[in-house]
Amino acid sequence: GAGVSQTPSNKVTEKGKYVELRCDPISGHTALYWYRQSLGQGPEFLIYFQGTGAADDSGLPNDRFFAVRPEGSVSTLKIQRTERGDSAVYLCASRQTGPTDTQYFGPGTRLTVL
Amino acid sequence: SQKIEQNSEALNIQEGKTATLTCNYTNYSPAYLQWYRQDPGRGPVFLLLIRENEKEKRKERLKVTFDTTLKQSLFHITASQPADSATYLCALDASGGSYIPTFGRGTSLIVHP
Repeated sequence: GAGVSQTPSNKVTEKGKYVELRCDPISGHTALYWYRQSLGQGPEFLIYFQGTGAADDSGLPNDRFFAVRPEGSVSTLKIQRTERGDSAVYLCASRQTGPTDTQYFGPGTRLTVL
Repeated sequence: SQKIEQNSEALNIQEGKTATLTCNYTNYSPAYLQWYRQDPGRGPVFLLLIRENEKEKRKERLKVTFDTTLKQSLFHITASQPADSATYLCALDASGGSYIPTFGRGTSLIVHP
């Protein structure tokens, strides 16, 4: 079946602009994660959804970052007033339910803020 | 402070040899530890999970050990192939079966033909 998909694959924006990044998880997966990965680093946790609700958003760096998952499937990560330091690859992952179920990652969205 | 340490230097080995990658952690009490493979421009791919009460896990040419006393996991690839060249990430939960895995920075493995 289809894996996790993310759109767009690349996004270039100017400092101060608003961006939305989309994640389509594997059908039936209740858990969805957003991570941010900078060059040479591992994925850094941002937010975790269980169903429609954000179960843990402790990784969001500040209030410019927000994510939603209104129907418990597709999720959108929203970044307001982008800064150059927001440039990174944003990864989405989904898994069925439990913490030890396999986590499946999407290919990521490379965000570049000029 | 909590740390997950993976060797930042690339590991270069000859085809056919066994590659061994290390993941050390401090100030965590993980219930499980995972290993992932990541190729350039792609998302990580899950390889193996080992629980705190397991010493060793195997899958084909892969073997993972988990020593909660030493706070270390070793990841072995036997009979390595150039196609095994990638970055390998370890991830663990913060404590007690948390739903949030925390990742190390990964170690690059280069297998030379």
